[in-house]
Amino acid sequence: AQKITQTQPGMFVQEKEAVTLDCTYDTSDPSYGLFWYKQPSSGEMIFLIYQGSYDQQNATEGRYSLNFQKARKSANLVISASQLGDSAMYFCAMRENGEKGGADGLTFGKGTHLIIQP
Amino acid sequence: DSGVTQTPKHLITATGQRVTLRCSPRSGDLSVYWYQQSLDQGLQFLIQYYNGEERAKGNILERFSAQQFPDLHSELNLSSLELGDSALYFCASSSSGTNKANEKLFFGSGTQLSVL
Repeated sequence: AQKITQTQPGMFVQEKEAVTLDCTYDTSDPSYGLFWYKQPSSGEMIFLIYQGSYDQQNATEGRYSLNFQKARKSANLVISASQLGDSAMYFCAMRENGEKGGADGLTFGKGTHLIIQP
Repeated sequence: DSGVTQTPKHLITATGQRVTLRCSPRSGDLSVYWYQQSLDQGLQFLIQYYNGEERAKGNILERFSAQQFPDLHSELNLSSLELGDSALYFCASSSSGTNKANEKLFFGSGTQLSVL
């Protein structure tokens, strides 16, 4: 079963609008971390934001915030006031503690291709 | 700039050949991870090294191997290459080998491998 599901393969958004990218996850591990990465057309993977399963507050990093709803197992990324430079692939990822202590690194979703239109 | 350096940026080779991809982690990071990104499989974890020792294995083929050297740089060796091995190969590093859920991974720019 897929551990990370991103249901939006692609999105078109007008510049300056807010964007919500969906991510749901599946785990039975009580301790886990959720991450969002951005991959522009140049290819590099850029870390954006992190949310821990025990964090009481939603994570924020500048224009990025994470809408964490633990009971629903969702960790949506919100980008406020979108800019042309936000056009990229966005990946949601999870790391579990589990038996292996998270040694498998990150499990990624399939990604959402976000295009910001002027 | 994540601080993780990967070389080469692009690699074009033929089926049956062997190539080596190189990665230097961020200064002070002890763990190195290798990932493969392809259109059909997405991002797949291959292998992790911590301070020179193999720590975890993912979906890595037997034709592939890796190592981490005393200076902490890592190499991923791909042999008997097939067309299906064409992909973007990422190296990532993290500060420790605790592998806790909150440990962030920082990625290099990747090596684009094309097997013709």
